[in-house]
Amino acid sequence: KQEVTQIPAALSVPEGENLVLNCSFTDSAIYNLQWFRQDPGKGLTSLLLIQSSQREQTSGRLNASLDKSSGRSTLYIAASQPGDSATYLCAVYAGGGNKLTFGTGTQLKVEL
Amino acid sequence: SQTIHQWPATLVQPVGSPLSLECTVEGTSNPNLYWYRQAAGRGLQLLFYSVGIGQISSEVPQNLSASRPQDRQFILSSKKLLLSDSGFYLCASIPTSGQTNGNEQFFGPGTRLTVL
Repeated sequence: KQEVTQIPAALSVPEGENLVLNCSFTDSAIYNLQWFRQDPGKGLTSLLLIQSSQREQTSGRLNASLDKSSGRSTLYIAASQPGDSATYLCAVYAGGGNKLTFGTGTQLKVEL
Repeated sequence: SQTIHQWPATLVQPVGSPLSLECTVEGTSNPNLYWYRQAAGRGLQLLFYSVGIGQISSEVPQNLSASRPQDRQFILSSKKLLLSDSGFYLCASIPTSGQTNGNEQFFGPGTRLTVL
């Protein structure tokens, strides 16, 4: 059974700092990995999708990497801003029906 | 691009009452559809998914059920709500069905259900 872990569970940083969020998964036979952000009381917003054949994806200040063999992904956020404050979730595709297995998330707070 | 609608946005129901949450998708056809629940302080739990009209797969045994009467409509129901059914319910969609390599999944705004 696929298990996804995210470390740290919570993170507080000053504005402008570069930061890394970690995601690990137990079964490396994944199809792809997706990063989301969730604002309080809201749905999930897709940030980046990395296919199993890819090593990384970039969108603006966000960069996500994938190392299937070690079962790890990182989300790098450059020059963090207060608007980046949210919970960040990673999820891997496992099994038929395109089902996602989610991590428990990292709650990020960027302070002025 | 697709848009996912969910209603109601919030709902307060007494224990033992019925439930019907609706999700509709615009901008795509024949999507895979999903219902998730997010309980307070816990992660996302997949409840049901559907790869086509009338095709429902249940992930977790419980007093909830799902139906897909139309291609872009997904309904979550219960005949009698329990206190433990409280949570944030999210509908999600993958624009292309039948894919096994995992396409990008998109989420609706969610429904906050409180059972008293």
